[in-house]
Amino acid sequence: EELVESGGGLVKAGGSLRLSCAASGFTFSNAWMTWVRQAPGKGLEWVARIRPNIPDGGITEYAVPVKGRFFISRDDSRKTLYLQMNSLKSDDSAFYYCAALSWGYLGQGTLVTVSS
Amino acid sequence: QSVLTQPPSASGTPGQRVTISCSGSNSNIGSDYVYWYQQVPGTAPKVLIYRDYKRPSGVPDRFSGSKSGTSGSLAISGLRSEDEADYYCASWDSLSGLVFGGGTKLTVL
Repeated sequence: EELVESGGGLVKAGGSLRLSCAASGFTFSNAWMTWVRQAPGKGLEWVARIRPNIPDGGITEYAVPVKGRFFISRDDSRKTLYLQMNSLKSDDSAFYYCAALSWGYLGQGTLVTVSS
Repeated sequence: QSVLTQPPSASGTPGQRVTISCSGSNSNIGSDYVYWYQQVPGTAPKVLIYRDYKRPSGVPDRFSGSKSGTSGSLAISGLRSEDEADYYCASWDSLSGLVFGGGTKLTVL
């Protein structure tokens, strides 16, 4: 069972980036999936959550600091979770981790660095 | 200021049992699960406990979780030097999403 994030990198403030999280070893389509982040030297911070498409219609929820700029989505056929990040700010610089908390899984993270 | 309250530090000697508490409220721990993470500085966090007391595969049974009302606890028995790390609790909050404790730094003396 694992979650593997990708797509991080260096981007200028105001730019966009899309993170991916490939899942394996569990029933991805049934899982409530979450993105969390951790800035260097700081604690973990929740970013977004998406419910299963069936029966919950893929409802999404966002933390206040990212609402309206970040968008979480899922492709159950590819067992992949996404995080589209727009209008990036320096405060968004962090390691981003995907998680399937109900299964106890957390990925190894991908680093996003936003330069001002 | 973290939503969940943890002691900033804890310590024990090898072989001892140590408990770390996590205090919340009815809007988080009182109505949803508690999760525990271990993080060695410079490395990715690792899930130790999910859904109050469940352990992911590979986590030793020296680690156990419990919950009562609006508080959760992580117990580590048979303390080892490699358990020296930061420990965080988390829970879903009906108003704020996933909330975390401020972390407890465990020192193995």
